[in-house]
Amino acid sequence: GENVEQHPSTLSVQEGDSAVIKCTYSDSASNYFPWYKQELGKRPQLIIDIRSNVGEKKDQRIAVTLNKTAKHFSLHITETQPEDSAVYFCAARGWVTDSWGKLQFGAGTQVVVTP
Amino acid sequence: AAGVIQSPRHLIKEKRETATLKCYPIPRHDTVYWYQQGPGQDPQFLISFYEKMQSDKGSIPDRFSAQQFSDYHSELNMSSLELGDSALYFCASSLSASGGSYEQYFGPGTRLTVT
Repeated sequence: GENVEQHPSTLSVQEGDSAVIKCTYSDSASNYFPWYKQELGKRPQLIIDIRSNVGEKKDQRIAVTLNKTAKHFSLHITETQPEDSAVYFCAARGWVTDSWGKLQFGAGTQVVVTP
Repeated sequence: AAGVIQSPRHLIKEKRETATLKCYPIPRHDTVYWYQQGPGQDPQFLISFYEKMQSDKGSIPDRFSAQQFSDYHSELNMSSLELGDSALYFCASSLSASGGSYEQYFGPGTRLTVT
């Protein structure tokens, strides 16, 4: 089955600096790679996603890149703000028979943005 | 816009008791997923249903069972509860049919505490 590895496990950045989180996946059949932000006790919130036929996607201060050959994808947050502090999960998903498959999550990255 | 609804939001049970968690997917969504998230862990996939049929199964204990009903809502039944079952349980839904989006929408979760 799919295995997703995520690094680093914790990331401390100064407000205004950039943050980068990296993930690798194992199943070449995976075709969808979302990133979720989760605050303590809350649901995972989708912040950006990328499909396997796209190499890069950007949404304001957030960008995701995908390298299918190397099977890795990364999240980039620029101009970080204290409200960016949360746990971030990468995930990979493929297709199962005739429906979207499960999300296989990375272990998560605790991001702390200090003012 | 309508979101995924889960009930109850909080549940306290004693060891060896049973619990039933309910999930109401976004209208017209045909795929439902259940995830379990322990403290400091990433969400772990339990089971999924597509058009009322089980589509995939993950690390779901034999003590747990689930089904999706004709109105597409789903229930997760948990018996002989153990202390280790204490976790956040998320339901998510998506639209797998042609034209559906890739996104998987998460409900607010049910916090189960087993004492």
